[in-house]
Amino acid sequence: QVQLVESGGGVVQPGRSLRLSCVASGFIFSTYGLHWVRQAPGKGLEWVAVIWSDGSNKYYADSVKGRFTISRDDSKNTLYLQMNSLRAEDTAVYYCARVIGLSRMDVWGQGTTVTVSS
Amino acid sequence: DIQMTQSPSSLSASVGDRVTITCQASQDISNYLNWYQQKPGKAPKVLIYDASNLETGVPPRFSGSGSGTDFTFTISSLQPEDIATYYCQRYDNLAQVTFGPGTKVDIK
Repeated sequence: QVQLVESGGGVVQPGRSLRLSCVASGFIFSTYGLHWVRQAPGKGLEWVAVIWSDGSNKYYADSVKGRFTISRDDSKNTLYLQMNSLRAEDTAVYYCARVIGLSRMDVWGQGTTVTVSS
Repeated sequence: DIQMTQSPSSLSASVGDRVTITCQASQDISNYLNWYQQKPGKAPKVLIYDASNLETGVPPRFSGSGSGTDFTFTISSLQPEDIATYYCQRYDNLAQVTFGPGTKVDIK
């Protein structure tokens, strides 16, 4: 079935780096754009980044611009989020999501938790 | 940047009640507006896309309307399984996204 599975979360000290992965199955990965969305504890949803289906365009929320990098490896059906210079406020559950066209996120992963703490 | 507001931030209603949530954009976003449901500990689920289109498999008691800056999401007859937080989400022609702050719906 159509599925996204995130991994790579954990506890990390401020200023350090972490790379999240999102493995897709059940659909033609290379034909879809993909988002990262996060949710801090007890808070609402915050968009993080998007990569287009052909990888030609990537856009970021201002809160992560210059620190996070979204990328994809279509040969591995995998989406990545490289997170550098992590801050306490980056603590959240991170979800990957498939996007239909430019519009709605119709498939979501289960989320992976990132905790930034000394 | 376009800001999204939602009201109310929370509501309590009885089973069978009609529930309405509004979402307002700070600029005209045409119909580039989706609605999501998120239950505790779960990933969000899209219910309405492009302001008024029902996602496949979503019960018809859910509906959306609006365009420009003002949008409405309605549950025509609230069910116990509808307890969740509902988010509006705007997108642009680059696929950049902004979520509204959410509306928590409880059973009275």
